[in-house]
Amino acid sequence: AQSVTQLDSQVPVFEEAPVELRCNYSSSVSVYLFWYVQYPNQGLQLLLKYLSGSTLVKGINGFEAEFNKSQTSFHLRKPSVHISDTAEYFCAVSTRDMRFGAGTRLTVKP
Amino acid sequence: DTEVTQTPKHLVMGMTNKKSLKCEQHMGHRAMYWYKQKAKKPPELMFVYSYEKLSINESVPSRFSPECPNSSLLNLHLHALQPEDSALYLCASSREGGFATEAFFGQGTRLTVV
Repeated sequence: AQSVTQLDSQVPVFEEAPVELRCNYSSSVSVYLFWYVQYPNQGLQLLLKYLSGSTLVKGINGFEAEFNKSQTSFHLRKPSVHISDTAEYFCAVSTRDMRFGAGTRLTVKP
Repeated sequence: DTEVTQTPKHLVMGMTNKKSLKCEQHMGHRAMYWYKQKAKKPPELMFVYSYEKLSINESVPSRFSPECPNSSLLNLHLHALQPEDSALYLCASSREGGFATEAFFGQGTRLTVV
């Protein structure tokens, strides 16, 4: 069975600083990995996905993630965050169905 | 059109009521999903429909009854719910089942059981 672990439940950061949200996965088969963002009282929006190919994946809103098979990681990064990036971020793994990590609350402070 | 539309956005129901949540997509997706999300928790998979047939039921209580009338519509019928069933209910769709491609989510229905 596949699963994901998000290593930080909360990440506070100042505006314009870089940020990394960490995600580790486990699976006995090939996986597809995703990062979703959820703003308050809204559904989930896809930031980026890794299906195959290049291990560096670029997404929307300036986010990127790197798939590392040897470390079973898929960390999300942004070089300079904005106040509007404050939200809940979910890492997800998919084979038969999609399973989410516990989420990381990113709070960007002025 | 890359939207998944859920109605209603908010619903308050008593424990003896019967209500339905609706979900619609016009992207030609053949897999549709119901998730339940409690506050400060990740979405939890409830049901998966693939080609209009129920393919996954994550041991959900029978007071939740899904229905897929056609490839564009997904309903969740609610009956005799408990206060602990209060949550955000999210619908999603994907091109095929198995989630090998991305899932598109609706904005959710905020359900309160009183």
